[in-house]
Amino acid sequence: AQSVTQPDARVTVSEGASLQLRCKYSYSGTPYLFWYVQYPRQGLQLLLKYYSGDPVVQGVNGFEAEFIKSNSSFHLRKASVHWSDSAVYFCAVSAYNNNAPRFGAGTKLSVKP
Amino acid sequence: GGIITQTPKFLIGQEGQKLTLKCQQNFNHDTMYWYRQDSGKGLRLIYYSITENDLQKGDLSEGYDASREKKSSFSLTVTSAQKNEMAVFLCASRQGTGQLYFGEGSKLTVL
Repeated sequence: AQSVTQPDARVTVSEGASLQLRCKYSYSGTPYLFWYVQYPRQGLQLLLKYYSGDPVVQGVNGFEAEFIKSNSSFHLRKASVHWSDSAVYFCAVSAYNNNAPRFGAGTKLSVKP
Repeated sequence: GGIITQTPKFLIGQEGQKLTLKCQQNFNHDTMYWYRQDSGKGLRLIYYSITENDLQKGDLSEGYDASREKKSSFSLTVTSAQKNEMAVFLCASRQGTGQLYFGEGSKLTVL
């Protein structure tokens, strides 16, 4: 089965700084890749997804991610973070023909004012 | 838009008790999921269902039962609650192209 590793449990950045949250997946076939965000006391919401085509995908609120097949990575980026971006971010992978997405452990982002 | 409703939001039980969590969706999605969220471990798949009356085991199904009697609802039962069962349980449904929609979660505490 597919799996996801998010190596950074916590990341702290200053408001206005750039951000990269790392995600590596394990799957030998064609992956569907996702980033979700979880704000306090809420369920997860989709930020962006990659199925095929342009390896750089744009999401909501200025987030983007790049699929690098050779590195099995799908890192999330943002050019300038805002305090409201403080949340837990989850990377997920789903096989092309499989109904069971697997999630990483999540990265808790704290944005300092 | 649709919504995923999980009940109850908070569930307190005794060790050894059988406890049931319920999930309703009005997206008309075929596939539904139960994930368990533990701090530092992310989301782990317990059960999923690709249609009414279908059940598929996930990575963490031992100690749980599930039921999908209607397309719109998916229940999860903890068969014998243990103290290390304290966690948040998330229900989700899946749009055809792969995106999941989540409920707000049910927090289980075992005394």
